[in-house]
Amino acid sequence: SAVISQKPSRDICQRGTSLTIQCQVDSQVTMMFWYRQQPGQSLTLIATANQGSEATYESGFVIDKFPISRPNLTFSTLTVSNMSPEDSSIYLCSKLGLGTQYFGPGTRLLVL
Amino acid sequence: ELKVEQNPLFLSMQEGKNYTIYCNYSTTSDRLYWYRQDPGKSLESLFVLLSNGAVKQEGRLMASLDTKARLSTLHITAAVHDLSATYFCAVVFAYGGSQGNLIFGKGTKLSVKP
Repeated sequence: SAVISQKPSRDICQRGTSLTIQCQVDSQVTMMFWYRQQPGQSLTLIATANQGSEATYESGFVIDKFPISRPNLTFSTLTVSNMSPEDSSIYLCSKLGLGTQYFGPGTRLLVL
Repeated sequence: ELKVEQNPLFLSMQEGKNYTIYCNYSTTSDRLYWYRQDPGKSLESLFVLLSNGAVKQEGRLMASLDTKARLSTLHITAAVHDLSATYFCAVVFAYGGSQGNLIFGKGTKLSVKP
């Protein structure tokens, strides 16, 4: 199975601040994916992080709020900007692997 | 609209019993996933179903896919407490060429009681 690590694993942040989440995968991939899981809910794709080009955002998510970097084929960051309590969620990065799609352990974010 | 519907959303079972979780989806899909999520944990891939009539089994869990009915089932045989978790189905709708865009169902929270 794939190895995906995320930092931080959890954080408590103040309203109006920003948090950058890092994701490291164990093998080179063209695309990495960022998902959000709101409390007690299912997962929703935020954006696809493409190496060498701009991220592709899903409906309802914008670059100003969730800027993404993809400096190389094994690393990506997601920033949650100008946070509000509604941003309290688990943020997971993901990659396609051999036969399935793998998810990182998640970053649990609480915004006060 | 791309939709994935699971039912039931909550399932309380006794150990030793059998039950089935259903996953309906709204349009043609390339592949369907089943995941398990334990509280406070990430998602564990259980099955990937690619073609009509596909059936996969792992231990007490068996997943099947009927692409014509746009339906997948996850059957639990002789449930044990260790199977208590939330189970998600997720579907890739093949548009835009992105195989990583999974549309998830709301999940089925399974509780197996002695």
